[in-house]
Amino acid sequence: DAGVIQSPRHEVTEMGQEVTLRCKPISGHNSLFWYRQTMMRGLELLIYFNNNVPIDDSGMPEDRFSAKMPNASFSTLKIQPSEPRDSAVYFCASSLGAGSQPQHFGDGTRLSIL
Amino acid sequence: RKEVEQDPGPFNVPEGATVAFNCTYSNSASQSFFWYRQDCRKEPKLLMSVYSSGNEDGRFTAQLNRASQYISLLIRDSKLSDSATYLCVVNMNTGFQKLVFGTGTRLLVSP
Repeated sequence: DAGVIQSPRHEVTEMGQEVTLRCKPISGHNSLFWYRQTMMRGLELLIYFNNNVPIDDSGMPEDRFSAKMPNASFSTLKIQPSEPRDSAVYFCASSLGAGSQPQHFGDGTRLSIL
Repeated sequence: RKEVEQDPGPFNVPEGATVAFNCTYSNSASQSFFWYRQDCRKEPKLLMSVYSSGNEDGRFTAQLNRASQYISLLIRDSKLSDSATYLCVVNMNTGFQKLVFGTGTRLLVSP
């Protein structure tokens, strides 16, 4: 069975550039989550969608970050302009339902901003 | 108080040992609890759900204590392959239902 698919696996870019991360959730899952993980701050929830609608974006750091989910099988997280402090591993996860069901994670995107 | 708190460890144990981790949570209305495992440079993976009556999966036992608002994970007969970070996860019934991940407890099993 296909799990959550993220791309790219690795991204290295210079500060100021636009970065777009992509996620395909597990088919049939109606909730999608974007997380950021760093050594200092652990796993942080950035935003989550339920039935393609953003429900809670209180974790989005600032206006440089934006996320979309145009349909049930695709989501993007965009950073524009990127900064070195955005360097982290970004995970996408999906689940059946938002708060009571376990989430299944993609392999993550390792982002380095130089 | 943090929503979910864990001892970061590391817990260093020899193979074959029994080790237990605790996790406390702040929201008494929480209804769903999980333990995840995360290996170095990998994604978190569901280890097991935690049920009110406690549950066991092979060498792993999870317990829930609602009165004291903590959950525990017991690992018996530790294997080298159990070395990982264990994340406590709790749902928050605060308007938007969402899962909150603890910062994890690191386990190192040595030969």
